[in-house]
Amino acid sequence: EVQLVESGGGLVQPGRSLKLSCAASGFTFSNYDMAWVRQAPTKGLEWVASISTGGGNTYYRDSVKGRFTISRDNAKSTLYLQMDSLRSEDTATYYCARGGYWGQGVMVTVSS
Amino acid sequence: DVVMTQTPVSLSLAIGQPASISCKSSQSLLGTSGKTFLNWILQRPGQSPKRLIYQVSKLYSEVPDRFSGSGSETEFTLKISRVEAEDLGVYYCWQGTHFPQTFGGGTKLELK
Repeated sequence: EVQLVESGGGLVQPGRSLKLSCAASGFTFSNYDMAWVRQAPTKGLEWVASISTGGGNTYYRDSVKGRFTISRDNAKSTLYLQMDSLRSEDTATYYCARGGYWGQGVMVTVSS
Repeated sequence: DVVMTQTPVSLSLAIGQPASISCKSSQSLLGTSGKTFLNWILQRPGQSPKRLIYQVSKLYSEVPDRFSGSGSETEFTLKISRVEAEDLGVYYCWQGTHFPQTFGGGTKLELK
């Protein structure tokens, strides 16, 4: 059974950093591109970043480019999202996603 | 970015009634591969999104056959032949043909 389990969320002040993790199981992690998608409170879904199987290609939405870094450790079957210079508009539930599979999500709140 | 427009925004139906949700894209979703990467997902209250349909009309194995998808180019439809209680939630279409992937605004299905 495919499982994606996010962790690392929480309350953080504007301008600070946070690193999310997504532990994958039930499939060969290194064979799949992975992505982070977020959902602001009571809002719709928004793609944030994607990474290729080997990690050599990464893609970001414009609003997070230069602040967020997506990475992966295939040996640990884990996906990461390093979020720096956080802003209030980054407040959202962040989902780890692979194709049609989604994790349960982790909440990130940026507030002073 | 490709804009995905869903209608209606909300739908109130009784158990057993049919449902239809429209999704229109601002550009054709037919890719150079000849495939159309238009997908549907359902987010039940308090849960993460769950996969329903990929490439316009292909149901994932666990999805009941009362769900169906159709369409081409820029106009797509999700249909439920007979709504059941477990179908309530917010339905999203999303496209993976063009970078960045984008989501529709969602259609909330409520039970009457």
